[in-house]
Amino acid sequence: AQRVTQPEKLLSVFKGAPVELKCNYSYSGSPELFWYVQYSRQRLQLLLRHISRESIKGFTADLNKGETSFHLKKPFAQEEDSAMYYCALMNFNKFYFGSGTKLNVKP
Amino acid sequence: DVKVTQSSRYLVKRTGEKVFLECVQDMDHENMFWYRQDPGLGLRLIYFSYDVKMKEKGDIPEGYSVSREKKERFSLILESASTNQTSMYLCASSHSLGIGNTIYFGEGSWLTVV
Repeated sequence: AQRVTQPEKLLSVFKGAPVELKCNYSYSGSPELFWYVQYSRQRLQLLLRHISRESIKGFTADLNKGETSFHLKKPFAQEEDSAMYYCALMNFNKFYFGSGTKLNVKP
Repeated sequence: DVKVTQSSRYLVKRTGEKVFLECVQDMDHENMFWYRQDPGLGLRLIYFSYDVKMKEKGDIPEGYSVSREKKERFSLILESASTNQTSMYLCASSHSLGIGNTIYFGEGSWLTVV
């Protein structure tokens, strides 16, 4: 069975500091992985997906199949990055989410 | 612009009441989902529908049922609401593209059962 684990419930950093939000998954096939973000009072929205290999709002995420990880990184956090972040895995068109990490970027 | 609309943003219901949560999408998506979102637990899949009248149970279907009579509309039903069903409910939809797929969410429905 597939599972997505986000070990940190809350991550607090100062503005300008590097950020890494951890995500580990268990899945027997080739996973398709995503990061979704929910800003205050807004709906959940896609941040990035691993197949696109893109950088969105300065965030990147690399799929590491050996460590079964898909950590989200940003070299210099901004206050507007404060939000709830969810890692997700897609399996046969169904999406499974982790428990989420709240990122708080302090001024 | 992609649109998933949940008609009720805030509801307060009594224990034992039957509750309907409605969701409509305008993107002609094949797949629709109901999740509940709880602090510390993240999003948990309640039910998934991949076509009209077709459904699959998710991870936590107990106490819930769903209805999909039209492609654009997916309803979540709580036959007899209980206090442990107090939560934020999120509807979502996606195409059946496989690789490259994306899921789109509604704004959520806050349900309080008293």
